[in-house]
Amino acid sequence: NAGVTQTPKFQVLKTGQSMTLQCAQDMNHNSMYWYRQDPGMGLRLIYYSASEGTTDKGEVPNGYNVSRLNKREFSLRLESAAPSQTSVYFCASKGGASNQETQYFGPGTRLLVL
Amino acid sequence: AQSVTQLGSHVSVSEGALVLLRCNYSSSVPPYLFWYVQYPNQGLQLLLKYTTGATLVKGINGFEAEFKKSETSFHLTKPSAHMSDAAEYFCAVRASGGYQKVTFGTGTKLQVIP
Repeated sequence: NAGVTQTPKFQVLKTGQSMTLQCAQDMNHNSMYWYRQDPGMGLRLIYYSASEGTTDKGEVPNGYNVSRLNKREFSLRLESAAPSQTSVYFCASKGGASNQETQYFGPGTRLLVL
Repeated sequence: AQSVTQLGSHVSVSEGALVLLRCNYSSSVPPYLFWYVQYPNQGLQLLLKYTTGATLVKGINGFEAEFKKSETSFHLTKPSAHMSDAAEYFCAVRASGGYQKVTFGTGTKLQVIP
């Protein structure tokens, strides 16, 4: 099992450019999440998907869109990047009969917006 | 609404000394509580969790935490710090019942001094 994978690992964008962060999990989990991590602020939830076909806003959704492509994949799109979106982005998934409350995190995508 | 407060953004201990990382929560319903650890340039991984049952919870790498409802606390301890424990630790809370999002604290960086 690869667990939760994220691509790319690093990205530099110019203000106004768009990009999509990809996330996939091979644990057959129902729920998937996108967080951003900024110094001194912990993890803040951007969007989540409780199950395939559903998505909901988290604490900081402005400037982002998501797509739950299928049960495995949950992508995060920045339509017009801003310097305030410079951050480390983590995808996570949760589910499974034996460990329902545990979130499994990907390695993160480090994004710099100039 | 739910929230988590981690006291101390940085904690330093000597190798072999007691580790104590503090977490207080608020939740309008019985909570599920978590501690996650993040090593440099990695995603978060679960250390331990409290959902129901025994209030003293043991996790990986010799860590444990005790759920104290009267004090609304879930402090993380380890009797003897090891150099490999240097990392950032996040406390998190989720309200029990139904589908609820997890709220993370702002993190505590643990430094272990040789």
